[in-house]
Amino acid sequence: QKEVEQDPGPLSVPEGAIVSLNCTYSNSAFQYFMWYRQYSRKGPELLMYTYSSGNKEDGRFTAQVDKSSKYISLFIRDSQPSDSATYLCAMSRPQGGSEKLVFGKGTKLTVNP
Amino acid sequence: DAGITQSPRHKVTETGTPVTLRCHQTENHRYMYWYRQDPGHGLRLIHYSYGVKDTDKGEVSDGYSVSRSKTEDFLLTLESATSSQTSVYFCAIRGPSGSGRNEQFFGPGTRLTVL
Repeated sequence: QKEVEQDPGPLSVPEGAIVSLNCTYSNSAFQYFMWYRQYSRKGPELLMYTYSSGNKEDGRFTAQVDKSSKYISLFIRDSQPSDSATYLCAMSRPQGGSEKLVFGKGTKLTVNP
Repeated sequence: DAGITQSPRHKVTETGTPVTLRCHQTENHRYMYWYRQDPGHGLRLIHYSYGVKDTDKGEVSDGYSVSRSKTEDFLLTLESATSSQTSVYFCAIRGPSGSGRNEQFFGPGTRLTVL
């Protein structure tokens, strides 16, 4: 079983829709959870960073963590064509004296005008 | 941008030639990382550094070496490039030491093609 699973999509929605992106994980040692956005031919850009169960909101974006179910989500409200990108979940856990960051494979989102 | 540059941004080379990719940061952060990104595999860690001259292997380190002689520069070398190393390579830095945060910030990437 992979440590982090993410549905690759692709996901296509009309402008204004609410988008839900999800990842599951198997290792309860993960402590910090992130969402990255990656536009085509660009580097991943950090979107959200959380470390506890519950919701964190930033503008149209809400990150949700459920540690008991080992499930994280990213919600995008009022989606815009500019949100079209690949979204990567990532989570970190201790390894040796450092932290290991594990990425999902990404979900490609297209928001149609 | 997180103050990370990568060079070159694009490179085409032939099998068997050595290739060096450079990552430069202006943030003075201790941790630096090299990843490759391939369809179906996502981002995979090649090597990372936790200080000048301090490096360690990631999950796909075979065929790659790294060096870090200055805080700001982290070099990735393919000693003898193979077609399987055709990929997009990203450098990343970790958040400030002592901040309690460990998210990583990525550079713009280098697109490498090995013919």
